[in-house]
Amino acid sequence: ETGVTQTPRHLVMGMTNKKSLKCEQHLGHNAMYWYKQSAKKPLELMFVYSLEERVENNSVPSRFSPECPNSSHLFLHLHTLQPEDSALYLCASSQDSDGNQPQHFGDGTRLSIL
Amino acid sequence: EDQVTQSPEALRLQEGESSSLNCSYTVSGLRGLFWYRQDPGKGPEFLFTLYSAGEEKEKERLKATLTKKESFLHITAPKPEDSATYLCAVQAGGGSYIPTFGRGTSLIVHP
Repeated sequence: ETGVTQTPRHLVMGMTNKKSLKCEQHLGHNAMYWYKQSAKKPLELMFVYSLEERVENNSVPSRFSPECPNSSHLFLHLHTLQPEDSALYLCASSQDSDGNQPQHFGDGTRLSIL
Repeated sequence: EDQVTQSPEALRLQEGESSSLNCSYTVSGLRGLFWYRQDPGKGPEFLFTLYSAGEEKEKERLKATLTKKESFLHITAPKPEDSATYLCAVQAGGGSYIPTFGRGTSLIVHP
């Protein structure tokens, strides 16, 4: 399997639930990213990991908790979400995080908060 | 503050009708400008990286150009399969890890 794989593709959860999004990259990249994509808005970067170390937290609420156990896997743990958190959550990877390299995206998890 | 503005927001073309998409940017120390294509229900797919003014890249019917203030994505003789949303992103220098994306241009090519 190649590229960036995200699971699940769709997730519906209540505001009190706890769930996790998973991302796996098979490209041998050293940097991984979480983005939020809402309708009519630009992509918003949430977190950046470089060599399993978090290097950027772009003012994301604490109800979103990332985890990067190794350079190939990235998780986004969700708890006590709000309706405005409904969006497409995209994972991406790049060779490194210096900004010179393009990012390769997964197809996202469509999250709906009831 | 880094800014990226894409225009037009939406564009409808007939098959074979060439046109251009615009990405205007303000950034302190451009490290790279990226073009992506996004199909419905899919993640963005990388198209081009441009690093300095005057640079051009081509791929099939697409050609990207860069000046100090803007980038153009030229589409020559488009086909219906070119229909997608095209995203522009800029990466500033200075140690920032945060790319700035535009809102995208939604392109529909009619047969």
